[in-house]
Amino acid sequence: DTGVSQDPRHKITKRGQNVTFRCDPISEHNRLYWYRQTLGQGPEFLTYFQNEAQLEKSRLLSDRFSAERPKGSFSTLEIQRTEQGDSAMYLCASSPQGQSDSPLHFGNGTRLTVT
Amino acid sequence: LAKTTQPISMDSYEGQEVNITCSHNNIATNDYITWYQQFPSQGPRFIIQGYKTKVTNEVASLFIPADRKSSTLSLPRVSLSDTAVYYCLVAPQNDKIIFGKGTRLHILP
Repeated sequence: DTGVSQDPRHKITKRGQNVTFRCDPISEHNRLYWYRQTLGQGPEFLTYFQNEAQLEKSRLLSDRFSAERPKGSFSTLEIQRTEQGDSAMYLCASSPQGQSDSPLHFGNGTRLTVT
Repeated sequence: LAKTTQPISMDSYEGQEVNITCSHNNIATNDYITWYQQFPSQGPRFIIQGYKTKVTNEVASLFIPADRKSSTLSLPRVSLSDTAVYYCLVAPQNDKIIFGKGTRLHILP
């Protein structure tokens, strides 16, 4: 079990630029989740996938955000035309579906700073 | 989705047992109760999960009364390294997981 890997760990970008983050889940996990977390708050749900299918997307997610999981393995989260309010920690998690006692396994996140 | 309520913060001392209670009055029949721990600059880490009665692992115990409207995470003999944010979550197995603000536990020497 190599754990959930996220890349990059940190990203600093200027307002208006596009950024893309990558998440590699645990290999046998078919569920993949994206969350956003700001200081002092709990992780905020963004979207999740069952294999390559995106099952749900938060209403809080504007059209500037898009996530993909093209082959049901790794996933990318893209933010277009970044705004200062997008500054946050972006967390990815994975889990196997349909198994008891199968909690989310989180990566250590990508910290985005928009200047 | 069931909403959870837990204390915003708690303080305790090293060596003490810490109990964090979470209320989930609207829990559904197929909901599980799961607790996570989060340190600064890290993703949340699974601690324990249960459906009813009592569950114990090497890290903690989880007590769930018969009506399942609350649950208590028990951390035995805490140390400074247990200082973290603890989240109580209620959801169907592997469904969309919604986090609250959690409980900030501060362990004092």
